[in-house]
Amino acid sequence: SQQGEEDPQALSIQEGENATMNCSYKTSINNLQWYRQNSGRGLVHLILIRSNEREKHSGRLRVTLDTSKKSSSLLITASRAADTASYFCAYNNNDMRFGAGTRLTVKP
Amino acid sequence: DAGVTQSPTHLIKTRGQHVTLRCSPISGHKSVSWYQQVLGQGPQFIFQYYEKEERGRGNFPDRFSARQFPNYSSELNVNALLLGDSALYLCASGLAGGPYPGELFFGEGSRLTVL
Repeated sequence: SQQGEEDPQALSIQEGENATMNCSYKTSINNLQWYRQNSGRGLVHLILIRSNEREKHSGRLRVTLDTSKKSSSLLITASRAADTASYFCAYNNNDMRFGAGTRLTVKP
Repeated sequence: DAGVTQSPTHLIKTRGQHVTLRCSPISGHKSVSWYQQVLGQGPQFIFQYYEKEERGRGNFPDRFSARQFPNYSSELNVNALLLGDSALYLCASGLAGGPYPGELFFGEGSRLTVL
């Protein structure tokens, strides 16, 4: 079974709009990571946020972490058609566990 | 530098057969993890090896086994294949192992189809 839950399961937006994806988890963590996967390919690491951090930025990506609510969000600003992919959160619980993912479609 | 390489990329087996999947981590990485990804779902953790020792095991039957070699490459073996074993098998390497792995670097996967 999946250890984390992403919300929404699917998201469709227009190019230029912002995309927000949420992740909830169930245990205490050391860090939480976000990954991207193009259809049928390997996963690519996007950003890592440590449990003592609340917000982190990387280019057009902004990640927040609320350990009291056991949740994280990934914001992609000014989305592009090339951002179309599945996005997964992952957190460590003696090993790295992944959520079910959010499938993002960005329409040109 | 070469990334994580996996072989074979695609393979077809029949029920009851055995399969071996191979993974070469990024040079300098001592941790290798294996994941199973069924279509439409997130990766499910199978094993983690660090410094040639098993450091974590997911909720998979004993038909699944793995090992890590002295050069840190790894094999995943699945015996008595079932139709439900059809999936993309992903290997990931990292610098750290144990309870607090850092960033994982994934290969492109081995797509297994069981008929």
